[in-house]
Amino acid sequence: AQSVSQHNHHVILSEAASLELGCNYSYGGTVNLFWYVQYPGQHLQLLLKYFSGDPLVKGIKGFEAEFIKSKFSFNLRKPSVQWSDTAEYFCAVSSWGKLQFGAGTQVVVTP
Amino acid sequence: DAGVIQSPRHEVTEMGQEVTLRCKPISGHDYLFWYRQTMMRGLELLIYFNNNVPIDDSGMPEDRFSAKMPNASFSTLKIQPSEPRDSAVYFCASSLAPPGPAANYGYTFGSGTRLTVV
Repeated sequence: AQSVSQHNHHVILSEAASLELGCNYSYGGTVNLFWYVQYPGQHLQLLLKYFSGDPLVKGIKGFEAEFIKSKFSFNLRKPSVQWSDTAEYFCAVSSWGKLQFGAGTQVVVTP
Repeated sequence: DAGVIQSPRHEVTEMGQEVTLRCKPISGHDYLFWYRQTMMRGLELLIYFNNNVPIDDSGMPEDRFSAKMPNASFSTLKIQPSEPRDSAVYFCASSLAPPGPAANYGYTFGSGTRLTVV
């Protein structure tokens, strides 16, 4: 069965620190990979997506993610976070239409 | 496009009452999804439709939950009778037909319905 694992449930860091959120998936076929962000009280918004090609994907707001096929991983990174990046981040995998989410990582950025 | 539209935004109901959540997907999207978000279980896929046909309803928790998509522009998720443990945020999402690396392929989420059953 398809599954998505996010390594950390909660991350607290200071402004200007670097962020990396881990995501691993298990599925043997072709998958599409996503990172979504949910700001407090809001709905899910797409940060970036990977389908094929360059495994380093750049998204909005300075985020990027790297797809490592051999490790079944799709880790999210941002070199320097801001207070406004406080949110919950979800990794998601889709295969033939069905989109499945990881448990999410709550990120708190302190001033 | 106005995006995926859900109604109501908030719903408070008494235990035992019927609750109906509504969703209007983005025009032209072939897939529609219903998710439930809770603190304990995160985001759970309840059911999804392709071209108005339910494809996978294995995530529907029990018979009290039902979902329909009578046409390409409207879907409902009904809970009857509702229970306090159904309290959650329910999201609807839609997407174009996969698979494929189309530049505009992706999932768009509605703003959600926050359901509270007391």
